[in-house]
Amino acid sequence: DAGVTQSPTHLIKTRGQQVTLRCSPISGHKSVSWYQQVLGQGPQFIFQYYEKEERGRGNFPDRFSARQFPNYSSELNVNALLLGDSALYLCASSSTGNTIYFGEGSWLTVV
Amino acid sequence: QKEVEQNSGPLSVPEGAIASLNCTYSDRGSQSFFWYRQYSGKSPELIMSIYSNGDKEDGRFTAQLNKASQYVSLLIRDSQPSDSATYLCAVIGQGSNYQLIWGAGTKLIIKP
Repeated sequence: DAGVTQSPTHLIKTRGQQVTLRCSPISGHKSVSWYQQVLGQGPQFIFQYYEKEERGRGNFPDRFSARQFPNYSSELNVNALLLGDSALYLCASSSTGNTIYFGEGSWLTVV
Repeated sequence: QKEVEQNSGPLSVPEGAIASLNCTYSDRGSQSFFWYRQYSGKSPELIMSIYSNGDKEDGRFTAQLNKASQYVSLLIRDSQPSDSATYLCAVIGQGSNYQLIWGAGTKLIIKP
């Protein structure tokens, strides 16, 4: 079975632009979460979705939004990009129980 | 504010020795505790999970949990150069629906 897949793996954007990151969870997993990891820090929780409903939102501005589709895949959108949005964006999926699996991440550089 | 604290290191350990990594957390109601390993430029990889007080062993790795003192530790026996990485402690707080709260990580260096 495929693990958590994310795309794109690397991208460079200009300040003020918008970006969409995509995630496909492990087959059968209905929960998807997004985390931001800035270089040298631990990941920070952004969003969690379960069965297409938002279950949690971290302390991020409204420029960050997300959604989950009927097939449980998810998109993270960031508008009006700032230099400080440069980070590794991690998607995680989980089923019942507490085991959480991460994808390889999307490296976003804002210039 | 729920927090997870780790010593940033770097922690330098000779090859073959035991590496000891520590983590404290502020939410006394936390239920689930995880150790992740992260190589430079890669995503975190789950090493150990622990849910009840005591020790849990998996190969060269042992996780220890003490809920009364609110700390969790990771021991790596017979350390290898390939164990050199940043180790992240993560906690799921009470009623938080699988939302991980992370420490900043401890950089471990195994010297040959």
